[in-house]
Amino acid sequence: LAKTTQPISMDSYEGQEVNITCSHNNIATNDYITWYQQFPSQGPRFIIQGYKTKVTNEVASLFIPADRKSSTLSLPRVSLSDTAVYYCLVGDNGTGGFKTIFGAGTRLFVKA
Amino acid sequence: DAGITQSPRHKVTETGTPVTLRCHQTENHRYMYWYRQDPGHGLRLIHYSYGVKDTDKGEVSDGYSVSRSKTEDFLLTLESATSSQTSVYFCAISGTPTGVAITGYRNGYTFGSGTRLTVV
Repeated sequence: LAKTTQPISMDSYEGQEVNITCSHNNIATNDYITWYQQFPSQGPRFIIQGYKTKVTNEVASLFIPADRKSSTLSLPRVSLSDTAVYYCLVGDNGTGGFKTIFGAGTRLFVKA
Repeated sequence: DAGITQSPRHKVTETGTPVTLRCHQTENHRYMYWYRQDPGHGLRLIHYSYGVKDTDKGEVSDGYSVSRSKTEDFLLTLESATSSQTSVYFCAISGTPTGVAITGYRNGYTFGSGTRLTVV
């Protein structure tokens, strides 16, 4: 199972772009990279998923270099409501099983 | 999240008593998981299931057992609760409903809302 390394915490201000980088040196060929967001007293929820290059959806972008040993979650123009813990996970998307290990995540604090 | 419910949402129990937490899904997903979350530890996998009656241990399985007698239900049992098992427990599901990979299908976990368990 691929382990990931992320910064423990980050601070930002409203309206700024926030980039959170995750290291996953032993990512396997079949592994996808998925980011989750967790608010207090709630379960983590899916933000974005990718395999290589760049993926963008309505809330975030995910940048993955060619060697796939790291990935960067980009949150454009954050607001106070983006204050949460963000988890980076890697796992096999092929068969449906997504057994993986959560790290401690990155605690993002957005200030006014 | 719609499609996955945990019960109870909150429970206080005494040390040494058995406790069972229930996870119910309506998504027909093959894989189900139990995690616990404690301050400073993030989410840690307790047990998971890859089908009816098929389960395996995670990284913190001691003191816990699980059962899955039907696709939609995954039960977590603390045979004799201890104070160290005070935690928030999350159930999750993953996979395609048919268990077969579907190109472009967004895989990953869907989590329940959690059960806050306090052992006194």
